[in-house]
Amino acid sequence: KNEVEQSPQNLTAQEGEFITINCSYSVGISALHWLQQHPGGGIVSLFMLSSGKKKHGRLIATINIQEKHSSLHITASHPRDSAVYICAVRGGNEKLTFGTGTRLTIIP
Amino acid sequence: EPEVTQTPSHQVTQMGQEVILRCVPISNHLYFYWYRQILGQKVEFLVSFYNNEISEKSEIFDDQFSVERPDGSNFTLKIRSTKLEDSAMYFCASKAVLETQYFGPGTRLLVL
Repeated sequence: KNEVEQSPQNLTAQEGEFITINCSYSVGISALHWLQQHPGGGIVSLFMLSSGKKKHGRLIATINIQEKHSSLHITASHPRDSAVYICAVRGGNEKLTFGTGTRLTIIP
Repeated sequence: EPEVTQTPSHQVTQMGQEVILRCVPISNHLYFYWYRQILGQKVEFLVSFYNNEISEKSEIFDDQFSVERPDGSNFTLKIRSTKLEDSAMYFCASKAVLETQYFGPGTRLLVL
């Protein structure tokens, strides 16, 4: 059974700051997802990665398979980035195991 | 941009009643999923569905739950006899081969 741990649980930062959210998992995976959940509850998929690094706009996701660790970075953070960021991993089957999420608040 | 839709957005039901949650996945997607999120807790996998059959299910997905793709477009989750602890947000998701999952907006179910 894969355990997914995220840190920090809560993060408050000033607008413009560089943000890092971390995710560790316990068992080998085939893919890792970073998701964004807005206050209304909707979930948006940000990245799916199995190695290396991906970038989309101000968001960057990295994964280190050997260390079983992934990071999500936000550059030039903005209040609209305020949301819960969730890491989820997929093993050899279709099941996703989710972390508890990191609540990010960006203050103007 | 194509999106996954879910109906209803909110449902209130009495304990013991049957509920059907509906999802319309993105049209060319082949893999379908249901997840739930109890208020204040993490998202949990319920079931995955491919090629008209369940490919994976969690321990939560017991005999009270069933899924169906009745007409090639809708994907439904039925809870036969709801319990108080079934109160949660239920998310549907779909994906194409080798792509990320696209989530619907969710159905908030409240069992009284």
